[in-house]
Amino acid sequence: GAGVSQSPRYKVAKRGQDVALRCDPISGHVSLFWYQQALGQGPEFLTYFQNEAQLDKSGLPSDRFFAERPEGSVSTLKIQRTQQEDSAVYLCASSLNYQGYNTFGSGTRLTVV
Amino acid sequence: EDKVVQSPLSLVVHEGDTVTLNCSYEVTNFRSLLWYKQEKKAPTFLFMLTSSGIEKKSGRLSSILDKKELFSILNITATQTGDSAIYLCAVVTNTGNQFYFGTGTSLTVIP
Repeated sequence: GAGVSQSPRYKVAKRGQDVALRCDPISGHVSLFWYQQALGQGPEFLTYFQNEAQLDKSGLPSDRFFAERPEGSVSTLKIQRTQQEDSAVYLCASSLNYQGYNTFGSGTRLTVV
Repeated sequence: EDKVVQSPLSLVVHEGDTVTLNCSYEVTNFRSLLWYKQEKKAPTFLFMLTSSGIEKKSGRLSSILDKKELFSILNITATQTGDSAIYLCAVVTNTGNQFYFGTGTSLTVIP
């Protein structure tokens, strides 16, 4: 597609539920990033893929967070046993290569109740 | 610890005013600095700066980087209500996979 597509746009989860957030990057983009943006804050880095390889997951806040990109295109960010502090907008971004600027998706707003 | 600090945190101006947004940074292995405009949820790219002293310009927006003093400014002239947004600054390191974002400057332009 023309841009980075994320789904769902909104997700409400009960505390303890597992959620899966999807990101469709721009076709051909090698690099894919996930960010977490809390209200009033800038995006915080979560993890980075180059093709299917997860090269950096240092930003994942706990082992409840897991990301994958098995075929080097679509990526899924999974959060297990969601907690209220997981409520945030999750942004996905892709770039042609690691030297380029990121194009962001519109994000998924996760609310844990 | 690597960090990016933006100022002011928020700004309210009248249409037609000129604004200057600031971004200072402390990162190791600096490679580039990026400015984004965030309306609603998705940040949109404005500028990427890698060299000191070279102004980048796009319409009423311009930006410049000072790698000696470790800061960048984003100027918007003749502001319009459509410029109302959060402006994010991000610094990229040489490893390429770490983008450090500031908290953003919230700009409100009133008619």
